[in-house]
Amino acid sequence: DQQVKQNSPSLSVQEGRISILNCDYTNSMFDYFLWYKKYPAEGPTFLISISSIKDKNEDGRFTVFLNKSAKHLSLHIVPSQPGDSAVYFCAASVSNTGKLIFGQGTTLQVKP
Amino acid sequence: DGGITQSPKYLFRKEGQNVTLSCEQNLNHDAMYWYRQDPGQGLRLIYYSQIVNDFQKGDIAEGYSVSREKKESFPLTVTSAQKNPTAFYLCASIARYAGGTEAFFGQGTRLTVV
Repeated sequence: DQQVKQNSPSLSVQEGRISILNCDYTNSMFDYFLWYKKYPAEGPTFLISISSIKDKNEDGRFTVFLNKSAKHLSLHIVPSQPGDSAVYFCAASVSNTGKLIFGQGTTLQVKP
Repeated sequence: DGGITQSPKYLFRKEGQNVTLSCEQNLNHDAMYWYRQDPGQGLRLIYYSQIVNDFQKGDIAEGYSVSREKKESFPLTVTSAQKNPTAFYLCASIARYAGGTEAFFGQGTRLTVV
């Protein structure tokens, strides 16, 4: 049972445009969501997070939106840069259980 | 320099052998996690530990074992019972603060069964 799903395995955008990465979840108990970026053969690095009490969090070029009623979150990267090309994972947690669940990842390619 | 260290980076195992992957952190984090990455499957949770001397099974714990005798260390043993152990293994430690949770990852260990 995949509790966190990233249904798009890949996304390609032009440099300077917006990248939108999507993530859906099924467990309404999730109360914290995170986005990670990963290069091949390296560990993921933290990008941005959002608590379930908020619907938007912004950090520079990265903005995460949370729609609790739809159990959906998205990561917007504006403007996209070639260095953003990587695999992006969303993750969700239920604070009092300590469990942190990841989606399958979306490979983003930003073309110059 | 605070961080989380996995060793070795590459590991080869013969079929039927047990092998142990090391994970050490000096971030003073209570919680540590082991994930496995396979192509197209993202990161799947093997085991996690929220405190010393305690750990819980994740979604794919069969064929794996862990220990948490020290806060800094969370080794993962891949036993001969794991039918498909070839994968990229990631260890993480978790910081909890008022705003939420953040996971810090090691650089990973690629295990290959030969």
